[in-house]
Amino acid sequence: GQSLEQPSEVTAVEGAIVQINCTYQTSGFYGLSWYQQHDGGAPTFLSYNALDGLEETGRFSSFLSRSDSYGYLLLQELQMKDSASYFCAVEEIKAAGNKLTFGGGTRVLVKP
Amino acid sequence: DTGVSQNPRHKITKRGQNVTFRCDPISEHNRLYWYRQTLGQGPEFLTYFQNEAQLEKSRLLSDRFSAERPKGSFSTLEIQRTEQGDSAMYLCASSLVGQEELQYFGPGTRLTVT
Repeated sequence: GQSLEQPSEVTAVEGAIVQINCTYQTSGFYGLSWYQQHDGGAPTFLSYNALDGLEETGRFSSFLSRSDSYGYLLLQELQMKDSASYFCAVEEIKAAGNKLTFGGGTRVLVKP
Repeated sequence: DTGVSQNPRHKITKRGQNVTFRCDPISEHNRLYWYRQTLGQGPEFLTYFQNEAQLEKSRLLSDRFSAERPKGSFSTLEIQRTEQGDSAMYLCASSLVGQEELQYFGPGTRLTVT
């Protein structure tokens, strides 16, 4: 089977940096995606890593270490609008076609 | 294209009734996914399609759940003999083949079973 672990909640102040870790176990790993979901909203794609290393997209960066089965999402220069839930999702190789399995999510609360 | 749409947005039903939800994906997307999400949890995979073919159905899904995508465009998810435990947000997403990491989600259908 597969499993993903990420912290349930993180609190930080505006302007700070937050790192959300994600560890995973899966038999057919292909890549790691990150999604953001505001309360009452739909998940939206943030970032993706298929290879080891850092991917930077504006204030958000994502890192992957395939050998450690570990990744993280880095949120820099936190803004109030970044208060949301963040999900890591493993892309698994399946014979029928790749699919995503989501973690339980990390709720980020940004305080003034 | 305005993105993924789902109807209805909210559904309240009595236990034992059948319900059907509809999802209209982004038009050029051949992959379509259904998820269920409860409060404080991540989206839980239910099933997915490539065009009209159903590729996989979650082993956790009971036989009361069925999904179709008859013409490879919109999809329906039916729950028969609803139970209170079925209360959740039902999310639909779509993607291109080969870009399964980048899924576009609809606003969801919130089901409440009383």
